[in-house]
Amino acid sequence: DTGVSQDPRHKITKRGQNVTFRCDPISEHNRLYWYRQTLGQGPEFLTYFQNEAQLEKSRLLSDRFSAERPKGSFSTLEIQRTEQGDSAMYLCASSSGTGDYEQYFGPGTRLTVT
Amino acid sequence: AQKVTQAQTEISVVEKEDVTLDCVYETRDTTYYLFWYKQPPSGELVFLIRRNSFDEQNEISGRYSWNFQKSTSSFNFTITASQVVDSAVYFCALTPYNQGGKLIFGQGTELSVKP
Repeated sequence: DTGVSQDPRHKITKRGQNVTFRCDPISEHNRLYWYRQTLGQGPEFLTYFQNEAQLEKSRLLSDRFSAERPKGSFSTLEIQRTEQGDSAMYLCASSSGTGDYEQYFGPGTRLTVT
Repeated sequence: AQKVTQAQTEISVVEKEDVTLDCVYETRDTTYYLFWYKQPPSGELVFLIRRNSFDEQNEISGRYSWNFQKSTSSFNFTITASQVVDSAVYFCALTPYNQGGKLIFGQGTELSVKP
């Protein structure tokens, strides 16, 4: 079974541009999570899905951020009108949702906003 | 509110030394899970262990061991006979039961094992 994959691994964009990241979870994992990690900090929760339903969004997720999981498989995270403060590693994780909450993480997408 | 504190920002040891990484958590929930993750220089978080709040039995896995003490809200991680490959950032995390599983992470402890 392949692990969680994320694309792209690195993204450099200019302030004001829109960016979209993709996450492919472990197959048959029905929960998918997005986190953001800045340098020297632990990951911070952004949002999560159970199948295609987005069940919770952090206050960190401003109106410029939107996430989807249209068919309950892969997910996308879009940031509109990027700001320099959006520069971070964006991590995706998935879990089986059976109650043990073990999450398996992808390699992350490192975003740099210039 | 839930919070995880890893007071040790950086630890440096020489290979073969034992090292303990501290983790203290705060939660009002009576049922919760605790985790440790490893983040090597490559950046991908690797799951190490999960412990639920009902089970205070310590666990050993090879050179790794975990000491969960509910009375002091601590979940410490010990590496015995450390190796250079153990060099990484280690994160402790908490999730309350039945709240979707979102992880609340500590700030991490960067472990450097020198040969």
